Parts: sequence; structure tokens; C-alpha cells
Amino acid sequence: GAGVSQSPRYKVAKRGQDVALRCDPISGHVSLFWYQQALGQGPEFLTYFQNEAQLDKSGLPSDRFFAERPEGSVSTLKIQRTQQEDSAVYLCASSLVLGSYNSPLHFGNGTRLTVT
Amino acid sequence: QQQVKQSPQSLIVQKGGISIINCAYENTAFDYFPWYQQFPGKGPALLIAIRPDVSEKKEGRFTISFNKSAKQFSLHIMDSQPGDSATYFCAASMDYGGSQGNLIFGKGTKLSVKP
Repeated sequence: GAGVSQSPRYKVAKRGQDVALRCDPISGHVSLFWYQQALGQGPEFLTYFQNEAQLDKSGLPSDRFFAERPEGSVSTLKIQRTQQEDSAVYLCASSLVLGSYNSPLHFGNGTRLTVT
Repeated sequence: QQQVKQSPQSLIVQKGGISIINCAYENTAFDYFPWYQQFPGKGPALLIAIRPDVSEKKEGRFTISFNKSAKQFSLHIMDSQPGDSATYFCAASMDYGGSQGNLIFGKGTKLSVKP
């Protein structure tokens, strides 16, 4: 497709379950980012990949959060032992090259995670 | 610590009016300031962006004004239309030096344009 694709669009998990969220970036985009957006808030940075290398994971809130991009294209964000505070929209974004001004971020429509 | 402060939280404007949203930042190392538009159920979409070497950038009905000394920047939407009704986010980042894409977002402004 032409844009960043995320699946599933909605995910309901019981507290303690593990979840996996998928992101298909725009073809050829080198950089991939994950953001977390709580209800009524702006997105917050989680982690960043350049191809398959995870160069920045400073925003991951705990060691229950894990992201990978093994072949430099599709990425998966995994949350282990989900907690209610993990409920949010998880946004994926990609960009062609490094440097946001010349290569802006394109966001997907997100996965809305609800932990009950 | 909120590094980008955005106001107002919500804004109601009549069709044809000017919408103004303000943001202030703290980190003087920021050198990239985009504005994003987000509709319900959708991801943020880039509207317009500016670097600190210019004081204003205009694209169609959208203008960013930038005041480096005051560490403030604002979005002006001229001739506001009902289709502009959305949530707007300002953001900032250090575009180089290993922090590419680590955008710090404001909390958003919900704009409603009344017909």
C-alpha cells in the first residue's frame, strides 16, 4: 500500500496477557518509529530503528516492552504481561532517510490497545 | 517534564476566521518544529514544519511563525473551514545528532470550526 499499515486496528487484552502489534512501513523507508498515544494526549516516542538496527529505545516504559525489525522492513512491538496503564493507541511511523526536515515522518492509523 | 507546552487546549472558530495555536519549548537544542493534524481514528499527518533559521513559513492557508529568542512558535490557519476541525499537535526535535524522529509533542489543541 501507499501508507504505513498497522495491524490489528483494535486489540483487547486481559491483564497479564502478551500482545504483538505489527507495522508495515512505506516500502523503501529506512527509518521506523514507534510512539504511544494516551487518550487526549500527544504521541510519546518509544523507540527507533534504522533498517534492522534499534538505535534508540529510550522511550520504552519498561522491560515488558520489546520491539524488533529483523529484516529491516516490518516491525513488531511486543508487550508482555500487559497492565491497564498500557492501554493506549500505538502509532508506527516511517521516514525515507534520517533527518526529519527533509524526510518527514509518515504515521499509520495506529493500534488501539485496551487492557481489561 | 513537559518540554513542549501547547495552548489553548480547545478552540472554537467561525468559518472564515483565523485559528491561532501557540507552543513554547524549553530545549534550545531543538532545531525542527513540525505541526501535525490528526482526525479521530487516524494517525497524525504532517501539516507544515519550520527550522529556526527562518521566522515564518507559509503554505497555503497555514503559516508558522517562529520566535527563537522567546522559544515560541505558532500555527495560524487563515480562512478556517469546517474541514479543518481536528486536533493539532506542535512538536519539536533535534533533527541531527542521533535524535532523528524523536519528536516531543505538545498535548494538542482540538479545533472546531463552526459553519
